[in-house]
Amino acid sequence: EPEVTQTPSHQVTQMGQEVILRCVPISNHLYFYWYRQILGQKVEFLVSFYNNEISEKSEIFDDQFSVERPDGSNFTLKIRSTKLEDSAMYFCASSENGQGGNGELFFGEGSRLTVL
Amino acid sequence: SQKIEQNSEALNIQEGKTATLTCNYTNYSPAYLQWYRQDPGRGPVFLLLIRENEKEKRKERLKVTFDTTLKQSLFHITASQPADSATYLCALDIGGSQGNLIFGKGTKLSVKP
Repeated sequence: EPEVTQTPSHQVTQMGQEVILRCVPISNHLYFYWYRQILGQKVEFLVSFYNNEISEKSEIFDDQFSVERPDGSNFTLKIRSTKLEDSAMYFCASSENGQGGNGELFFGEGSRLTVL
Repeated sequence: SQKIEQNSEALNIQEGKTATLTCNYTNYSPAYLQWYRQDPGRGPVFLLLIRENEKEKRKERLKVTFDTTLKQSLFHITASQPADSATYLCALDIGGSQGNLIFGKGTKLSVKP
């Protein structure tokens, strides 16, 4: 069964460092997302991406965050200068259709980011 | 802003019983509502989607209801098994065109043998 894959599974970094989290969405999917989940809290929407551009972003997704689809398969999330409060599990997700379709999101297993 | 609440943080039931989880929302009229399962340290896994014009949806031992007047969805697992133990998340579309979701905090279900 096709799946969303994420790397690394766990990254530890120093505050102020840049971090890139990588995702390979399901190959025929057109919509890509990043969500995050701080330990013990709810899953929160960060950004959606369609047709090679950001379609929506939340208040969390400030200037420190960026996303990119550098080639036909990868989808990355970059945090320019990490803060302690960026420590969380980051989930990539993809969807074949947006709201007009089934709406089902396929999530990866997550990348745990620890900022020291 | 939209608010979504899952009333119970934890629910403990005996194997074979029906588990019923509640999701309430305010300040919004979603086009659809979804339920996901999340195991510890893992990503959410899609279970069911129900649209605003549907009252009920079933899939094997799972049943979801959607009452847009009460702004509530109920999620039922019949003949529950210990393997059903997990956190169950309710999610609503936030009105964007791309299927972006807001999630509830989840209800942790424990099914005892």
